[in-house]
Amino acid sequence: AQKVTQAQTEISVVEKEDVTLDCVYETRDTTYYLFWYKQPPSGELVFLIRRNSFDEQNEISGRYSWNFQKSTSSFNFTITASQVVDSAVYFCALSEGGSARQLTFGSGTQLTVLP
Amino acid sequence: DSGVTQTPKHLITATGQRVTLRCSPRSGDLSVYWYQQSLDQGLQFLIQYYNGEERAKGNILERFSAQQFPDLHSELNLSSLELGDSALYFCASSGQGNAYNEQFFGPGTRLTVL
Repeated sequence: AQKVTQAQTEISVVEKEDVTLDCVYETRDTTYYLFWYKQPPSGELVFLIRRNSFDEQNEISGRYSWNFQKSTSSFNFTITASQVVDSAVYFCALSEGGSARQLTFGSGTQLTVLP
Repeated sequence: DSGVTQTPKHLITATGQRVTLRCSPRSGDLSVYWYQQSLDQGLQFLIQYYNGEERAKGNILERFSAQQFPDLHSELNLSSLELGDSALYFCASSGQGNAYNEQFFGPGTRLTVL
């Protein structure tokens, strides 16, 4: 069975600090997909990134970067120069490569960026 | 705006009642997923439909049912409601081919059972 672990329940940083959110996953599939979603205080779930298991390239999008390491089953998310608007709950999720693609979510990390 | 719409935004009802939540996927998306977010269970997958047919089932109670209609909108029916059913219910949709791998979520329906 698949599992996603986000060990950091809450993180608090001061604006402009860098912060890394950890995600560790478990799956028996060789083909799988990893995701990060953001849930701001308004409650919606915003898609941030998808990574395929066969593509271990790291990705950078503006202040966001993601580090995918198959060897440690980790898919960590770094926000550089954090801003107050980054305050949200961040979820890591996994789907396996079969015909159904339901997401298994981690428990989320509440990030608070203080001014 | 993800393009996925859900109605109603808020729903307050009493124990024992039945409610229907509605979801319209993004234009062209064939897959619809339902998820429940509660404080004690977190975000949990309930059920997936693909082009009108059930494709996968998660931790969905027998009191809950869903369907996807020919116009691809979906409804989640919750019956014999209990206090513990109070949660945020999300619908998500995904496209075809490579886009099948990415799910975009609606704003959610917040259900309160009193």
